Amino acid sequence: SQQGEEDPQALSIQEGENATMNCSYKTSINNLQWYRQNSGRGLVHLILIRSNEREKHSGRLRVTLDTSKKSSSLLITASRAADTASYFCATDGGKLIFGQGTTLQVKP
Amino acid sequence: DSGVTQTPKHLITATGQRVTLRCSPRSGDLSVYWYQQSLDQGLQFLIQYYNGEERAKGNILERFSAQQFPDLHSELNLSSLELGDSALYFCASSVGWRDSPLHFGNGTRLTVT
Repeated sequence: SQQGEEDPQALSIQEGENATMNCSYKTSINNLQWYRQNSGRGLVHLILIRSNEREKHSGRLRVTLDTSKKSSSLLITASRAADTASYFCATDGGKLIFGQGTTLQVKP
Repeated sequence: DSGVTQTPKHLITATGQRVTLRCSPRSGDLSVYWYQQSLDQGLQFLIQYYNGEERAKGNILERFSAQQFPDLHSELNLSSLELGDSALYFCASSVGWRDSPLHFGNGTRLTVT
């Protein structure tokens, strides 16, 4: 299926450390997006990277996309306790399909 | 605040019943999406509308239907409800029909007893 799969499923780090989450997918895409969800709330869009882009930055976020390997990574630098949330990649190949997410816990 | 409004926030109903979930998209957005989120299935894409027309369909059950009205608000109708339909239902909107970030509402939590 087109669905992205995030890795790891769960990640626990200390405040100030970097967090890296990976996403793999199976089919061709137009773009890949990353979202964040705080418990029980709606998802919040973080970054959209198009299939012809390789890297994108937004504040402390860095996203890479490797279409040859059908994979993407989200790096959060200098993490904060407030970054604790679930992070989802979503692949757009005509429908926006979300992966199962990575649960990130940042300990103060 | 995403600008997407979903009502009601919570809904408790019995098996076999029918419910309607409502979504008002962010001002200026023409696309509306519906997603179902449950613990075992994750976030499942149900359906997308763009300016009143169905644009893409996901794993939406035949018991479920949706529409987008001329004022761009959307409704998701769930009928013959089963216990397994208990989930968080999200509406999201975007400006275009593709290559656009989605803006999510806070969801409707449906509990079927």
